[in-house]
Amino acid sequence: QVQLVQSGAEVRKPGASVKVSCKASGYTFTSYHIHWVRQAPGHGLEWMGIINPSGGTTSYAQKFHGRVTMTSDTSTSTVYMELSSLKSEDTAVYYCARKPNRGGLVATDYWGQGTLVTVSS
Amino acid sequence: QSVLTQPPSASGTPGQRVTISCSGSSSSIGSNTVYWYQQLPRTAPKLLIYMNNQRPSGVPDRFSGSKSGTSASLAISGLQSEDEADYYCASWDDSLNGVVFGGGTKLTVL
Repeated sequence: QVQLVQSGAEVRKPGASVKVSCKASGYTFTSYHIHWVRQAPGHGLEWMGIINPSGGTTSYAQKFHGRVTMTSDTSTSTVYMELSSLKSEDTAVYYCARKPNRGGLVATDYWGQGTLVTVSS
Repeated sequence: QSVLTQPPSASGTPGQRVTISCSGSSSSIGSNTVYWYQQLPRTAPKLLIYMNNQRPSGVPDRFSGSKSGTSASLAISGLQSEDEADYYCASWDDSLNGVVFGGGTKLTVL
């Protein structure tokens, strides 16, 4: 069965970086793009970007340009999202989600369990 | 401030029909298809409607979507207690070159 398993909760100080992983299983890793979406406590969903694990092509939300880097490791079927220069406003649950091959660019079918990143001095 | 505008809350009684609106712009909903997500408490979002009015396998036909111009709506008929959740609309935005979400609508089943 398809699964996306994310790394555990992280605590960082302002100005630091965090790298969240999303390990895929149950399907051909390189055949599906992965979205990253975050949700601050009590707030709505915010799209961060998307990566094609086959080749590593990325597209980032303008808001995060220069601060976010998404990568993939085909040997371990894992995608990574690294966010730098962290601020308290980056405190959120970060989700990875698979984009199906049908349904359009904004569609998703499987989600990771979410990773809480807390930024606090 | 979200790019897509939704009412913060909606409510209905069991069996009722409720609609949730989503307003965008010419670069978002006006040029691209609309998606709806359901988020139950403390869970990851789930795709409810894609490409304006298509339901993924397993989503009950009580849920339906529509789009007109730069706005869209999600309708839920035969409201059930388990429909109590947050609902988000989403679309691609050509100006921002990215996915944009509405601020979310909290649906309460009275």
